[in-house]
Amino acid sequence: DIQLTQSPSFLSASVGDRVTITCRASQGINSYLAWFQQIPGEAPKLLIFGPSILQSGVPSRFRGSGSGTEFTLTISSLQPEDFGVYYCQQLMTYPRTFGQGTKVEIK
Amino acid sequence: QVHLEESGGGLVQPGGTLRLSCEASGFTFSDFYMTWIRQAPGKGLEYIAYISSSSGHDTNYADSLKGRFTISRDNAKNSLYLQMNSLRDEDTAVYYCARYHYTSGYWIFDFWGQGTLVTVSS
Repeated sequence: DIQLTQSPSFLSASVGDRVTITCRASQGINSYLAWFQQIPGEAPKLLIFGPSILQSGVPSRFRGSGSGTEFTLTISSLQPEDFGVYYCQQLMTYPRTFGQGTKVEIK
Repeated sequence: QVHLEESGGGLVQPGGTLRLSCEASGFTFSDFYMTWIRQAPGKGLEYIAYISSSSGHDTNYADSLKGRFTISRDNAKNSLYLQMNSLRDEDTAVYYCARYHYTSGYWIFDFWGQGTLVTVSS
C-alpha cells in the first residue's frame, strides 16, 4: 500500500497568514493526489485534486501543487472558517490511502 | 443538490453483523460509482470498498476487510449498502458513503454523507 506522510501534524496560525501543508508519498504517484478538509463533527470535504484542480465552490485561496512523491496544500490567507483537519489522499492505486492528517488551529 | 444519508449504525456485540445503508438524492444514482470509507474515533480515514455504477458488478475492497464486508447497491431504491459480518472491536468507527466520480482524468470522492456511527462492544 502507498503510505502518505503529512507534515506538520499540527499548526497554529493567525487569520491572514499563509499556511502550507506537505504530503509525501512512499512511492511516485504522478499527479494522483487529492486534499480534503474535515471540520470536527462533519464529513470530509473535497478541496483540490489532480493535484491543483479546485473543486467547485472551493475558495481560490486554496492551492495545490506537486507531483511524484511531494505535494503541498497552500492557503494563501487563512480565514476563521479554515480550521479543521486536512487530509491528503492518493488516487493512484488501491487501496486508496490517506495521510494521517494535519490539524489547523486559528490563533 | 447531491445528498447522501447513511443509516443503520448502532451498538453491536463482537462477532455480530450489521447492514449499513446510504440513500442518495440529487443525482442519477445508477450512473455513478459509490464507495464506503470509515474513521475510527479520533483517527484518520480508511478506504473500505467501491462498487461500479449500473449493474455494480465491479467491486474492490481493502484487503484487510475482504471476506467480512460486502458492498452492494439497489439502483431502484437509490441506495448503497455495506454488509458487515464478524464484527470486531477495531471496526468501531463512523462509516461514510461517498460518490466516486471520474472527472478530468481522476477518480475522486466528491460528495460525502454525514456518516453513521458503528460501535462494536460487549
